[in-house]
Amino acid sequence: DQQVKQNSPSLSVQEGRISILNCDYTNSMFDYFLWYKKYPAEGPTFLISISSIKDKNEDGRFTVFLNKSAKHLSLHIVPSQPGDSAVYFCAASSGTGNQFYFGTGTSLTVIP
Amino acid sequence: DTGVSQDPRHKITKRGQNVTFRCDPISEHNRLYWYRQTLGQGPEFLTYFQNEAQLEKSRLLSDRFSAERPKGSFSTLEIQRTEQGDSAMYLCASSLARGTGIHFGDGTRLSIL
Repeated sequence: DQQVKQNSPSLSVQEGRISILNCDYTNSMFDYFLWYKKYPAEGPTFLISISSIKDKNEDGRFTVFLNKSAKHLSLHIVPSQPGDSAVYFCAASSGTGNQFYFGTGTSLTVIP
Repeated sequence: DTGVSQDPRHKITKRGQNVTFRCDPISEHNRLYWYRQTLGQGPEFLTYFQNEAQLEKSRLLSDRFSAERPKGSFSTLEIQRTEQGDSAMYLCASSLARGTGIHFGDGTRLSIL
């Protein structure tokens, strides 16, 4: 039972443009969400998080948007750079538990 | 800046053997997690420690798996009588508190021959 879903396995974007990565979840108890970037042969690197009391969080080129009614979050990367090419995972947890549920990832390719 | 450290990076073993992995979390982090990742999937939760107490275990953690964090610092994950299906990347992560993000090591890749 996949509680966090990333329905786009891959995305290609031109350098300098916006990358939008999407994530949907099914558990309405989730209240804390994370985004990770992963390069081959490395562990996931934490990028940005958002709590359910907010609908937007920004950190440099990265912005995460949360739509609780739609159970949807997205990560915007502006402007996209070739070094952003990686697999991106979203993750979610609820206040009643300690585990994070991960999506299956979206592979982003930024074309120079 | 010392991140989460995992040892070994790769482990190749024959089916039926026991293996043990070590994780050293970021020094001030009292929360420690073990995850497993297979090809094409996101990380799957195995277990969680707060200090030395193992507070949560996944159904994925069969009785062949055991994890410890004896002094609330480093942790070990042991798999007994390994099976082909145990082949995966085993990831350790740590955090300071809920709401601060969890930080992963580079993992131990286990291959069962």
